[in-house]
Amino acid sequence: EAGVAQSPRYKIIEKRQSVAFWCNPISGHATLYWYQQILGQGPKLLIQFQNNGVVDDSQLPKDRFSAERLKGVDSTLKIQPAKLEDSAVYLCASSLGNSALGEQFFGPGTRLTVL
Amino acid sequence: DQQVKQNSPSLSVQEGRISILNCDYTNSMFDYFLWYKKYPAEGPTFLISISSIKDKNEDGRFTVFLNKSAKHLSLHIVPSQPGDSAVYFCAASGSVSGGGADGLTFGKGTHLIIQP
Repeated sequence: EAGVAQSPRYKIIEKRQSVAFWCNPISGHATLYWYQQILGQGPKLLIQFQNNGVVDDSQLPKDRFSAERLKGVDSTLKIQPAKLEDSAVYLCASSLGNSALGEQFFGPGTRLTVL
Repeated sequence: DQQVKQNSPSLSVQEGRISILNCDYTNSMFDYFLWYKKYPAEGPTFLISISSIKDKNEDGRFTVFLNKSAKHLSLHIVPSQPGDSAVYFCAASGSVSGGGADGLTFGKGTHLIIQP
């Protein structure tokens, strides 16, 4: 079974530029999450989708971050304009949504550096 | 306001001995507690979880203990092996905000080093 795919793996941009990340979840997983992991911290949830609807975006900085999952499968996360403090690893995760274990499966992440 | 805390940034254990990683939480609404393992340049990998209605869950060399009254959980690895060297994250899940939201709240992680 293929895991969660993310691209690009690395991205370097100047502040005030725009950037987009892509995620393809495990086949059949209805729930998709985006997390931000700043160096030395644990991942922090940005947004949760159930199919193509948003379940929780309470921690998404909506003035600069946006995300979509138009067909209920893959998803994109965009930052416009980027700030220095956005430098982090952006992790995508997916789950069946009904697992008794509650586990989420993570992709390898995209490391963003904002200069 | 950290709802999940891992107070030990690092832990060094000899190969073959027991590794004990600790985690505290503040929100009593969490339903599940999970442990993830992370190697450099990879995403976190699920290890083991426990429901809030249980106090112990075991899977091979890994056992998680939950003490709800103390809002504390621990991960025991016995025996510790060199391949266990990684960063371990404690995470909590639950519909704390309602509506099916079950995003994970993570601690900062503990770097476990297994000495040969």
